[in-house]
Amino acid sequence: AQKITQTQPGMFVQEKEAVTLDCTYDTSDPSYGLFWYKQPSSGEMIFLIYQGSYDQQNATEGRYSLNFQKARKSANLVISASQLGDSAMYFCAMREGYNTDKLIFGTGTRLQVFP
Amino acid sequence: NAGVTQTPKFQVLKTGQSMTLQCAQDMNHEYMSWYRQDPGMGLRLIHYSVGAGITDQGEVPNGYNVSRSTTEDFPLRLLSAAPSQTSVYFCASSRGGTDTQYFGPGTRLTVL
Repeated sequence: AQKITQTQPGMFVQEKEAVTLDCTYDTSDPSYGLFWYKQPSSGEMIFLIYQGSYDQQNATEGRYSLNFQKARKSANLVISASQLGDSAMYFCAMREGYNTDKLIFGTGTRLQVFP
Repeated sequence: NAGVTQTPKFQVLKTGQSMTLQCAQDMNHEYMSWYRQDPGMGLRLIHYSVGAGITDQGEVPNGYNVSRSTTEDFPLRLLSAAPSQTSVYFCASSRGGTDTQYFGPGTRLTVL
């Protein structure tokens, strides 16, 4: 069965430093997609970045990059140059296949950025 | 575009009451989903739909019904509310494939 694991309940990082949030996944389907979402204290879910299982290169979106290691089944989120506004919950999620819209979420990591 | 809208934002029910959470999207997305988020947990899929007239169960479907009569709307019905259904409910939509899911703002439901 597919599963997403986020082992870091909380992380601290100083402003302007980089931080890596861990995510490992388990699936037997060769076609899958991996997503990262940010949930600030206001509660909305904000899409950050996507990586497809057949993508050759790691995804990047501005200050966000996804360190995709397929053999290790990991999809870590790297935030460069952290800002105070990055303080939030971060969720990793996986979609198996392409003809479904079912996302499986991890339990999340709470990131706190301090000055 | 309004994106994905959900009503109400907050709701308090008594055990045994029924209600419908509304969800609408104006992006002409085929795929729509309902999730619940409990403290300390990620989002869990309740029901989803791949198009009008087609729905299927997710991970935690018990106690909930859905229907999809139009592309735009995907209401979630609580048949007989229980305290275990106290949660934040999110509706989402997408084009499927590699497209991301767009989430509504959520409904915070408390069942007493």
